[in-house]
Amino acid sequence: QVQLEESGPGLVKPSETLSLTCTVSGGSVSSGSYYWSWIRQPPGKGLEWIGYIYYSGSTNYNPSLKSRVTISVDTSKNQISLKLSSVTAADTAVYYCARGSVDGDYDDLWGQGTLVTVSS
Amino acid sequence: QSALTQFASVSGSPGQSITISCTGTSSDVGTYNLVSWYQQHPGKAPKLMIYEVNKRPSGVSNRFSGSKSGNTASLTISGLQAEDEADYYCCSYAGSSPRVFGGGTKLTVL
Repeated sequence: QVQLEESGPGLVKPSETLSLTCTVSGGSVSSGSYYWSWIRQPPGKGLEWIGYIYYSGSTNYNPSLKSRVTISVDTSKNQISLKLSSVTAADTAVYYCARGSVDGDYDDLWGQGTLVTVSS
Repeated sequence: QSALTQFASVSGSPGQSITISCTGTSSDVGTYNLVSWYQQHPGKAPKLMIYEVNKRPSGVSNRFSGSKSGNTASLTISGLQAEDEADYYCCSYAGSSPRVFGGGTKLTVL
């Protein structure tokens, strides 16, 4: 079955760029039936939608993060990437990638998440 | 883009029914039938429980149901079980600011 796995540095320094990768196994990121989301959750807090990308490369971002976020897809590696620039301690969170259905607006499959701490 | 409003906590005894509400605005919940609900156990990833207001994914118990009235969506869990104890998040499509989550509701099974 399809699985998602996030990976990347667990520690990022303030003002630097956070970079994460989501590897999709058992399915293709090129499927026209899905889009791919990034969602984050600060420790002890709720979920925050970061943005999503369609297989075509079209993106949509949370307006509050839009100036710092880039989501891209690498079909050759079957991966989705997240870059968040100029990070601060407020960006410390568990970052999840998820698969959404283009027929609706919901994420039916999630990765296990990866904790990123912003600290010097 | 403001978060949807959820009560912080709710509790119920085994076998009872509980309802978790999620209040938005006419820009999100009130306009679009694209409300979803997620269950999250501690240390785990969220799991989709309801989508498009009242549809259940395959494998989700029919004890979970969703509804909407005006700007407020609701998740009802009937026949409460110990394993239902978790955090629950609502989420709605919001047009130009596409996606907004609720703050979450912690369900305690007494």
